[in-house]
Amino acid sequence: GESVGLHLPTLSVQEGDNSIINCAYSNSASDYFIWYKQESGKGPQFIIDIRSNMDKRQGQRVTVLLNKTVKHLSLQIAATQPGDSAVYFCAEMSKTSYDKVIFGPGTSLSVIP
Amino acid sequence: KAGVTQTPRYLIKTRGQQVTLSCSPISGHRSVSWYQQTPGQGLQFLFEYFSETQRNKGNFPGRFSGRQFSNSRSEMNVSTLELGDSALYLCASSLGSGSWETQYFGPGTRLLVL
Repeated sequence: GESVGLHLPTLSVQEGDNSIINCAYSNSASDYFIWYKQESGKGPQFIIDIRSNMDKRQGQRVTVLLNKTVKHLSLQIAATQPGDSAVYFCAEMSKTSYDKVIFGPGTSLSVIP
Repeated sequence: KAGVTQTPRYLIKTRGQQVTLSCSPISGHRSVSWYQQTPGQGLQFLFEYFSETQRNKGNFPGRFSGRQFSNSRSEMNVSTLELGDSALYLCASSLGSGSWETQYFGPGTRLLVL
């Protein structure tokens, strides 16, 4: 079936470095994508979203890139901080249809002080 | 403003039993969605309620059901529990149906089925 997957299950980065977390999606009909952050013992937290008519979107210290040609999504975190340590996962969906939402398995980001 | 609250936080049940989980959304939020999170399958959408009506439903068997009350609080019920139902059940609320960017998750209810 269709699924969203991540290339790297774990990622360790030095504090202050930039982090890049990748995600591959398979449903070409998906038109909306979200990155979530989930800290231990907490529910997922919305980080940033992007629509399929965009290639790039920037937030505070985060940037999401969308490459529709290869169905690839990435999350870039600038100047990674210890508080960024968490599991990050992407989600693909149709903006108008909840039941089509597919979540990726997640990448665990560990920031080394 | 209080966040999304879920009760209970932890629950242990045995196979064949049923369970009811509760979710109180953020004040003013009218949409409540439920998700199941397991190590094997990741996060999966169960269903969404808006104004006491189920708006969307994921690919789960009929043993999983829910409802929403007039105050937007929601309950999820799982009947005839199976070992595979062991998971973290997350509830999320948002201002409106499909308002992903305003969706906030609760801490979840961890269910263990023995």
